[in-house]
Amino acid sequence: AQKVTQAQTEISVVEKEDVTLDCVYETRDTTYYLFWYKQPPSGELVFLIRRNSFDEQNEISGRYSWNFQKSTSSFNFTITASQVVDSAVYFCALSGRYGGATNKLIFGTGTLLAVQP
Amino acid sequence: EAQVTQNPRYLITVTGKKLTVTCSQNMNHEYMSWYRQDPGLGLRQIYYSMNVEVTDKGDVPEGYKVSRKEKRNFPLILESPSPNQTSLYFCASSHRQGNSGANVLTFGAGSRLTVL
Repeated sequence: AQKVTQAQTEISVVEKEDVTLDCVYETRDTTYYLFWYKQPPSGELVFLIRRNSFDEQNEISGRYSWNFQKSTSSFNFTITASQVVDSAVYFCALSGRYGGATNKLIFGTGTLLAVQP
Repeated sequence: EAQVTQNPRYLITVTGKKLTVTCSQNMNHEYMSWYRQDPGLGLRQIYYSMNVEVTDKGDVPEGYKVSRKEKRNFPLILESPSPNQTSLYFCASSHRQGNSGANVLTFGAGSRLTVL
């Protein structure tokens, strides 16, 4: 079965602190994709990153970085020098080829990040 | 602007009163799906469609129906809503998964439904 675990329900930091959001996944697929989405207070879902299972290179985009480690089945997300605008719920998600439901995302339960000024 | 449009955005209804949440995309995507978001559960797939006239159940299909008569539209129908269907609903679309892998889903803005 496929599963995504985000053990951190809520995180509160002060602006300019670095923060890491954890994501652990389970899948039997050898080819799979991992995603992060952001849900700001306005409610929409904003795509942040997609990573395939063959690419373990870390990625950096501005203040955001992602650490993908197949050995520990983790795909963690770090925000450097957090800002109030980073306050949101962040979802990690998994998509594989198992079962034929292509493009189906299995979501974690989300981590609510509150950045205090 | 490329987008997925859902309506209504907010709805309060009563048990048993049929309702439809519409979803339309302007990106010529083959794949469309519906998710519901509940506290502590994340988002779960309700139904999906690989193309016109092709639909299938997701993980939580009970109490819902869908149809895909046109490529751009994928309405979610609640024939007899119950309070446990109170939730935040998202429609999403993408191109069909190809050799390059899972395509990124584009989500609508969400529809908050309350069933009394």
